[in-house]
Amino acid sequence: DAGVTQSPTHLIKTRGQHVTLRCSPISGHKSVSWYQQVLGQGPQFIFQYYEKEERGRGNFPDRFSARQFPNYSSELNVNALLLGDSALYLCASSLVVSVAGELFFGEGSRLTVL
Amino acid sequence: SQQGEEDPQALSIQEGENATMNCSYKTSINNLQWYRQNSGRGLVHLILIRSNEREKHSGRLRVTLDTSKKSSSLLITASRAADTASYFCAPLRSSNTGKLIFGQGTTLQVKP
Repeated sequence: DAGVTQSPTHLIKTRGQHVTLRCSPISGHKSVSWYQQVLGQGPQFIFQYYEKEERGRGNFPDRFSARQFPNYSSELNVNALLLGDSALYLCASSLVVSVAGELFFGEGSRLTVL
Repeated sequence: SQQGEEDPQALSIQEGENATMNCSYKTSINNLQWYRQNSGRGLVHLILIRSNEREKHSGRLRVTLDTSKKSSSLLITASRAADTASYFCAPLRSSNTGKLIFGQGTTLQVKP
């Protein structure tokens, strides 16, 4: 069975540009979460979507937005890129939100902003 | 804060030795999870321990939870070079696993 898949795996952008990152959750998983991991730090929670609705947002500026599609895949959009947005962006999925269980992570999208 | 704080920040041991890392948190929790991350890769779930459990085992992993002290420990026995990775704890106040809050983690190096 396919795990969580993310695309692209690597990308380079310049300051001020826009980026869209994509995530496909494990089949049957309805919750998708996004995390940003700056080098040397732990992952920081950005968003959670469940059944296409936002269920949580971390301490990130409005330049960050996301959405979830009817097939439960998700996009993370970042506008007006800054150098500090350079990071590994991780997508994770889980089956439901009402029962504690493990979070399944993808391998991430490595974003470099020049 | 729901965030866990791992200690030590870095740990270096020889293959075959045991590795112990600790996690402290400040709020009451529903469960606590441990994850491993190999360099530059995604996180992998290791174990989940619920607030009413004190100890849990999974292969060479042993996790303890002391809710009175708001702390947890992860023990890796008979470590291998492949255990070299960063380890993160994630205490959770609700059952919603999607909103995990991670600390800086413990970086474990196992020397062959």
